[in-house]
Amino acid sequence: DTGVSQDPRHKITKRGQNVTFRCDPISEHNRLYWYRQTLGQGPEFLTYFQNEAQLEKSRLLSDRFSAERPKGSFSTLEIQRTEQGDSAMYLCASSLAPRAVPDTQYFGPGTRLTVL
Amino acid sequence: DAKTTQPPSMDCAEGRAANLPCNHSTISGNEYVYWYRQIHSQGPQYIIHGLKNNETNEMASLIITEDRKSSTLILPHATLRDTAVYYCIVRPRYNYGQNFVFGPGTRLSVLP
Repeated sequence: DTGVSQDPRHKITKRGQNVTFRCDPISEHNRLYWYRQTLGQGPEFLTYFQNEAQLEKSRLLSDRFSAERPKGSFSTLEIQRTEQGDSAMYLCASSLAPRAVPDTQYFGPGTRLTVL
Repeated sequence: DAKTTQPPSMDCAEGRAANLPCNHSTISGNEYVYWYRQIHSQGPQYIIHGLKNNETNEMASLIITEDRKSSTLILPHATLRDTAVYYCIVRPRYNYGQNFVFGPGTRLSVLP
């Protein structure tokens, strides 16, 4: 069990550029979540996948944001035409989803995005 | 999901027990109490969860009151590395992918 990994760990970009982040969940975890965290706040939910299906999206996920999980394993989060307000830590979490008990989410180290 | 209330900050002396309270007065019978912590610039780390019985693992103990309206996370021998923001979250037992709703948490400072 190598844990959830995210790449890159840090990204600096200029306003208007597109960026893409990758998340590799814990092996065999079928649920994958994306969160965003700004300074001094707790993480906020963006979207989640069960296997390859994107089942829920937050209103925070504007149409400039898109997430995929094409084969039900790793996921990518793309932000198009970045804005300074997109500067945040982007966190990925994964879980194994039995129905009898709540699924415990395990988080990656995050990708810190700075938009200049 | 039920809402939780935590003190914004706490201090604890190194080597002493850290007791972090959480109020969740609107919790329902099928909701679990979860604790995570976040060390500066890292992702949240799972600590422990429970439904109604007290729980203990290698990291901490979770004490849930009999009426389940509050709980306490106990770090038995706090070290400087336990300095972090601690989040108490309430989550349904039967869920179909609901995200965790994080509040501002408690910033614990372990002092030498």
